[in-house]
Amino acid sequence: GAVVSQHPSWVICKSGTSVKIECRSLDFQATTMFWYRQFPKQSLMLMATSNEGSKATYEQGVEKDKFLINHASLTLSTLTVTSAHPEDSSFYICSVHRGRLAGGPSYNEQFFGPGTRLTVL
Amino acid sequence: QKEVEQNSGPLSVPEGAIASLNCTYSDRGSQSFFWYRQYSGKSPELIMFIYSNGDKEDGRFTAQLNKASQYVSLLIRDSQPSDSATYLCAVNTGFQKLVFGTGTRLLVSP
Repeated sequence: GAVVSQHPSWVICKSGTSVKIECRSLDFQATTMFWYRQFPKQSLMLMATSNEGSKATYEQGVEKDKFLINHASLTLSTLTVTSAHPEDSSFYICSVHRGRLAGGPSYNEQFFGPGTRLTVL
Repeated sequence: QKEVEQNSGPLSVPEGAIASLNCTYSDRGSQSFFWYRQYSGKSPELIMFIYSNGDKEDGRFTAQLNKASQYVSLLIRDSQPSDSATYLCAVNTGFQKLVFGTGTRLLVSP
């Protein structure tokens, strides 16, 4: 599989501040990465698809001005939670996409980073 | 109807038994199917994927796919307490995104 890192692993911030989370693909170049959010005892919720060199695609209901995504290189995507509030406290997880092999079936595997736990006071 | 459905559990099995986890999906065009394991407080870890009808085995894990019934399962043989986790089924319909089920919590008792 792919090796994915996230930084920081946890962060506590005051309400109204902005927090940047980094997601790095360490062993292959990832054209596409995904950002998920997971609240306690709930499943993964896809927030957005991050594409290298282009604008992110946000899922319905996710505020693009609040969750800024930048995918400036093939190994790094960042998620910035702007003006964070307590309701933004969650587990944020990125994944890297590895797509179909030439001539093969559609794999579309995703490998997840270790996650970032955000607590907004 | 949810796109990917799983029983939330918990599914309780004794150590050494076979755990059977099930998942159904609604999109007949789905092309590949994934099982992830997620320990409490951790991110999901890919266990295996399957794209052809039938069985695929990897160590103690066997994934089974029946596209006609839109059903995919994961069998864990010789279950260990360390297998206790939430198992997420994910389906790819041909686009890059995966659609996840809500997960089944597995408890393996010593």
